[in-house]
Parts: sequence; C-alpha cells; structure tokens
Amino acid sequence: DAGVIQSPRHEVTEMGQEVTLRCKPISGHNSLFWYRQTMMRGLELLIYFNNNVPIDDSGMPEDRFSAKMPNASFSTLKIQPSEPRDSAVYFCASSLNSGPYEQYFGPGTRLTVT
Amino acid sequence: GESVGLHLPTLSVQEGDNSIINCAYSNSASDYFIWYKQESGKGPQFIIDIRSNMDKRQGQRVTVLLNKTVKHLSLQIAATQPGDSAVYFCAENPMNSGYSTLTFGKGTMLLVSP
Repeated sequence: DAGVIQSPRHEVTEMGQEVTLRCKPISGHNSLFWYRQTMMRGLELLIYFNNNVPIDDSGMPEDRFSAKMPNASFSTLKIQPSEPRDSAVYFCASSLNSGPYEQYFGPGTRLTVT
Repeated sequence: GESVGLHLPTLSVQEGDNSIINCAYSNSASDYFIWYKQESGKGPQFIIDIRSNMDKRQGQRVTVLLNKTVKHLSLQIAATQPGDSAVYFCAENPMNSGYSTLTFGKGTMLLVSP
C-alpha cells in the first residue's frame, strides 16, 4: 500500500500567486482531511470530506482557501491569492468513516509564500 | 513585534529509561483515543489507540492508559531509544461527531539522549 500521497512536497511561491496542493487518499478510505501545521497554532483541521462530500469546512481560514474532492481518489486544496501568513506544512489524511477512526497522514506539503 | 511560537512541553530522557507522556482531553463524550508520533519533516504516524470501554492497552514497547474519571490519557514507552525522539500527539474522537474526526492535542516533544 502506497499510503496517502501528496504533491508537491515543497512549494515556494510569491505572494498573490495561486497555489494548488494535491492529495491521493488510501484506496478504499471514504473520509479525507486537510490539516495545516504551524509552530504558532499547531495542527489545525481545515476541512474534511466523507464520500467526496465536504462535511465541515469551518476550519478554512477565509475565502482565499477552497478544497475539492471530484472523486474518491483525488482531492485538492487551493489558495488564491496566497499570502506569507499561509506559509505552513499542509497535511492530507484519510480514514474509514465506519471505523476504526485512525487517520493515515501523508508526508505533507511545505508551503513557503514570500 | 516578537512572535510567540507554540511552546511544546518537552520530556528529556536517557536511552533505556521508561518514558511517560501525558495528555488531558476535553470531551467527556469522546469514545476513541489515539496517540501519534511525528518525526521531524514527516507526517504524524499512528502508534496505538484505545476505546473508552478499556482503561489499558499494550502494544510493542508502548502502553496507553485511559482514566475517564479525570479525562486523562498517558502513553508509556518502555526502554526508550534515540529513534523514539519525536513530537507525540494525543487525539480524541467525540462519540457524537458522527464522523471519524479527531481533535488533536498540542503535542509533547520527547528527546532521548544516548
């Protein structure tokens, strides 16, 4: 099993540019989560999907952030326009909603906005 | 102004010692708990889990203890090794959430010296 796959692993962009982060969950998992991790705020849940449907996006910082899950094997997190304060490590995780509730995390995307 | 980072509690031990990492959880309705280990530059990795109908569960070199009365969770690592150095997070799943969401604690850094 390849585990959760994220791309790119590192992204450096200039303020104002659009950034798209990608995630491929573990095959068969029906829940997908996007997290952001910073030294200031720790690990924060941004949004999660169940069966490709967004369930709770209350953690999304503002309208500049959007997430989609067009099918069971792919999700994107987009930031447009990006700002320096968006610099963080973004993790994608997947799980089986029917339990157990262990979430499997990807390696993360380190985003730097200059 | 000066930025204030997330000051993680730190536990420093010698190789071969037993380590105990503590966590206080917030939701008395939570029925599932997980410990994750996060090494530098990697995503959180599952260590061990426990359901609320248990008060102790053992894995390989690790034991999780659950005290529901005081909403306390602990992770015990036997014969700690340098490779155990990482940040450890506890997480809880609220029974009434309906989904496999997890609420993460702030984390504890474990430093193991040879």
